[in-house]
Order: sequence, then C-alpha cells, then structure tokens
Amino acid sequence: EPEVTQTPSHQVTQMGQEVILRCVPISNHLYFYWYRQILGQKVEFLVSFYNNEISEKSEIFDDQFSVERPDGSNFTLKIRSTKLEDSAMYFCASSPHRASSGNTIYFGEGSWLTVV
Amino acid sequence: RKEVEQDPGPFNVPEGATVAFNCTYSNSASQSFFWYRQDCRKEPKLLMSVYSSGNEDGRFTAQLNRASQYISLLIRDSKLSDSATYLCVVTGYNQGGKLIFGQGTELSVKP
Repeated sequence: EPEVTQTPSHQVTQMGQEVILRCVPISNHLYFYWYRQILGQKVEFLVSFYNNEISEKSEIFDDQFSVERPDGSNFTLKIRSTKLEDSAMYFCASSPHRASSGNTIYFGEGSWLTVV
Repeated sequence: RKEVEQDPGPFNVPEGATVAFNCTYSNSASQSFFWYRQDCRKEPKLLMSVYSSGNEDGRFTAQLNRASQYISLLIRDSKLSDSATYLCVVTGYNQGGKLIFGQGTELSVKP
C-alpha cells in the first residue's frame, strides 16, 4: 500500500537553528499538508499546498515557517530560528483531492522535533 | 467554544464492553466528519467517515446529528487492540480544506 514517508523520524536541534523536515507524499496525490502535535495536545493544522503554492495556512504558520516542493517528489517544511515551543511531532499528509470534500488524507509517521 | 470538543476520558473498560464516545463541533457549515485513531506517538489513522444516515463497520458504529452538531462512535465487544486515542475530526469548504481535530479521548481496554 502506498504511504507517505517522512525523514528524519527524530531530530534534536539547538534553539535558534534552522530545521528542514522532509516528506515524500503518495505519488499521485495533489494536495499536501503539514500538521503538528505538541506532546499531550491536539493535532493542529499548519499549512496546505496545492499546485505549487500554499492554499491555506493557520495562524501558527508565521514567517518562521516555509514549505517547498523542490522536485516532483519531495515536500519540505523549513523552520527558521527554532524556539523551545516548536518542539512537537510534525506530520506530513497528502490526499488525491481536497480534504474538505470528504476525501481521505494519509498521514506519514511523523518527525519528532526536540528543540533544546 | 472549542471547534471540536470531545469527552475528556480516559475510558477504562474490560474486554467485551461496549463504549461510546461523543463529540460536538461548533461550525454548523462543517461538511465532512471522521473518526481517527491514534496510537501513542504515532500518526492519526482514519477509522471511519461519518455519514448523515449513520454507518457501521464491523464492531464500530458512527452517528451524526447535524441539528445538534453532534457525532458519536460506538465500539461493541471491545478488544485489547482497541486501546488507543480516538480523534473526532471535521472539515468543510468554509474551513479551507483543513482537518480540525478534537483533543481526543483515550480508551484503555483491560483483560
């Protein structure tokens, strides 16, 4: 069964450093997403991406964050100047169509980011 | 009011028990509804979509009441493997295509 893959599975970084989290969405999917989950809290939407541009972002997704699809397969989340409160599990997801139309979105296993 | 609100839990039940989870959502324009399951430190996985007429998948039954903005999940004959956190999720066109998650309700099934 096709799956969304994410790397790294766990990264520890020092406060103020830049981090890039990588994702390979399912190959025929058109919509890509990043979500995050702070330990003990709910899963929160960060950003959706379609047709090589951001289609929606949440208030969490400020200038510290950026996304990119540098080639035909990878989808990356860059976090600049990391803060302690950026420590969370970051989930990449993809779907063949827009999630709001009831289509299933598929999540990767997540990248656990620890900022120290 | 939270966008999606769930029973706080945790629910501790014996094997074979029937357990029900409740969820309410605040946006009356929400169009799609789901139950996801999340194991500890793992990704959310779709358990089932929820349709207006209600739907069943084996031991799992989901109900939707649009008038009350209420969603439920019933698990019959619970198994040890059902132990997980159950997430109520909604989305809709005026919510930009994003999934909005509830806090989740933890279920622990004991032998």
